[in-house]
Amino acid sequence: DGGITQSPKYLFRKEGQNVTLSCEQNLNHDAMYWYRQDPGQGLRLIYYSQIVNDFQKGDIAEGYSVSREKKESFPLTVTSAQKNPTAFYLCASSIGTSGSSYNEQFFGPGTRLTVL
Amino acid sequence: RKEVEQDPGPFNVPEGATVAFNCTYSNSASQSFFWYRQDCRKEPKLLMSVYSSGNEDGRFTAQLNRASQYISLLIRDSKLSDSATYLCAVNIRLGNTGRRALTFGSGTRLQVQP
Repeated sequence: DGGITQSPKYLFRKEGQNVTLSCEQNLNHDAMYWYRQDPGQGLRLIYYSQIVNDFQKGDIAEGYSVSREKKESFPLTVTSAQKNPTAFYLCASSIGTSGSSYNEQFFGPGTRLTVL
Repeated sequence: RKEVEQDPGPFNVPEGATVAFNCTYSNSASQSFFWYRQDCRKEPKLLMSVYSSGNEDGRFTAQLNRASQYISLLIRDSKLSDSATYLCAVNIRLGNTGRRALTFGSGTRLQVQP
């Protein structure tokens, strides 16, 4: 089955710890994204990647880091520098963002991160 | 002003009612528009892309008004299963790279009641 997977579904972190959230897609999509959603809020863009070995900061990149070593994978690390990391983290992918057209984004099931 | 704004609701409607949501956007250069549905504690799922000519999918109709910079979603004959939060999304150019990403509204909550 084609799709986007995220793991783990739930994650608990102690203050001061770095944690890495996994995102994998087998849709052969070029572009991948990470969003954060807080209760009652919309999605805010953390990082995005157009192609392998390339990524750009979104609106709220501070305290986060990413890598894109493979087309299928776009892991997100939440570092201890992120002061309020408890949130719902969503990974998405799209065919690409070339030219003037834009393709729909499809989301993984998300990871709920709680800082203890 | 937020780049993409929605009325948070909730919209409480009886089964069978017609309900409409609007979503305003501030960047006149935006070119692509989408409606997503999000159930409680789940990921957003694409409901419809919004085309310049408007588009319809069963009970759902999406419209784009470029002059007034808003998109709309109309749901006819509401079902209990339509209860969810509806997010609009607009593509926004990021910086000078020409690269784009979606900017989401905060969502409008719909509760369809028996």
